[in-house]
Amino acid sequence: GENVEQHPSTLSVQEGDSAVIKCTYSDSASNYFPWYKQELGKRPQLIIDIRSNVGEKKDQRIAVTLNKTAKHFSLHITETQPEDSAVYFCAASSRAGGTSYGKLTFGQGTILTVHP
Amino acid sequence: NAGVTQTPKFQVLKTGQSMTLQCAQDMNHNSMYWYRQDPGMGLRLIYYSASEGTTDKGEVPNGYNVSRLNKREFSLRLESAAPSQTSVYFCATKQGAWSGYNEQFFGPGTRLTVL
Repeated sequence: GENVEQHPSTLSVQEGDSAVIKCTYSDSASNYFPWYKQELGKRPQLIIDIRSNVGEKKDQRIAVTLNKTAKHFSLHITETQPEDSAVYFCAASSRAGGTSYGKLTFGQGTILTVHP
Repeated sequence: NAGVTQTPKFQVLKTGQSMTLQCAQDMNHNSMYWYRQDPGMGLRLIYYSASEGTTDKGEVPNGYNVSRLNKREFSLRLESAAPSQTSVYFCATKQGAWSGYNEQFFGPGTRLTVL
């Protein structure tokens, strides 16, 4: 099955700095890579996603890049703000047999702290 | 619209007790999922239901059973709770049954402690 590794496990930055979180995946057939943000005590919520036919996607201060050859993808947050402090999870969509059920395999999570 | 709801929010069990976690959605989504979240381990899939009438095991199914009661409801049962099942449980839903591209929407979670 799919295996997703996420680094770093914790990341501390100053307000205004950039933050980068990296993930690698094992299944070359995975074709969908979402990123979720989870604030303390809350549910995970999708912040951005990318499909395998796209190399980069941007939404205001956040961007995701995908390198299919190397099987890794990254989340970039620019001009970080204290409200960006949360746990971030990457994920990859895996297959069951010959049919994709849209199952997600998640990375272990990154605790991002943005200091004012 | 309530989205995805879960009951209860908190539960404390003794080892060996049983309980059922409930999940309901009013989003008319086809697929539903149960995850557990443990510190440093991300979200791990327990069971899922790609569409009404089907259920399949995920990554960590041992000690759990599920029922897709109808399109709206998907329950998770612990028959004999163990301390290793202490965790936060999230239900999630997705619109498309067979597409891998749709966003998963999560419920608020159930915090379970097994003593």
